[in-house]
Amino acid sequence: EAQVTQNPRYLITVTGKKLTVTCSQNMNHEYMSWYRQDPGLGLRQIYYSMNVEVTDKGDVPEGYKVSRKEKRNFPLILESPSPNQTSLYFCASTPGQGGETQYFGPGTRLLVL
Amino acid sequence: GDSVTQMEGPVTLSEEAFLTINCTYTATGYPSLFWYVQYPGEGLQLLLKATKADDKGSNKGFEATYRKETTSFHLEKGSVQVSDSAVYFCALTDAGGTSYGKLTFGQGTILTVHP
Repeated sequence: EAQVTQNPRYLITVTGKKLTVTCSQNMNHEYMSWYRQDPGLGLRQIYYSMNVEVTDKGDVPEGYKVSRKEKRNFPLILESPSPNQTSLYFCASTPGQGGETQYFGPGTRLLVL
Repeated sequence: GDSVTQMEGPVTLSEEAFLTINCTYTATGYPSLFWYVQYPGEGLQLLLKATKADDKGSNKGFEATYRKETTSFHLEKGSVQVSDSAVYFCALTDAGGTSYGKLTFGQGTILTVHP
């Protein structure tokens, strides 16, 4: 089954404790991205990757890191989480640029205390 | 930059009522337009899309027409069901390729349908 998976689905942590949210897709898509969803703001792009070893900032990259060592995986790293990073996070993938449908993971709900 | 504006919610309807959720956009290129739906506790699913002016996207009884002259992509359904209760997001991506597939979202509209 074609899908995007994320882990964990729920996470409670404390300020400053490094964490990683994993994302994996099995559709051989080149383009992957991370979004965060906040009430009243919709979804905003954090980082994106056009292919292996190619990543760039989205609209709200502060406090986040990513890596793309393999085509299927695109982890999101919070080196020192803060309470303002409490949010719902979605990973997405698409075959390429140019108006194609994006496929979303199930989401990771993060609470930073 | 690109932006999407959705009608403010939440929207509450009775079953079998007519639904309209307004969406307007600004874009510098030639956007593709999307409606995504998020059911409670789930991720986003593509509901429908349109890639050029005057295209009509449709799925599960929902429809939206790409109106370039009014920069709009309003979502409609003739008769809603309780199972349509969800959050609906209007979004666009620059089909010209300069944004590398980035989706720009509206703020989302919560729809609740009562029996």
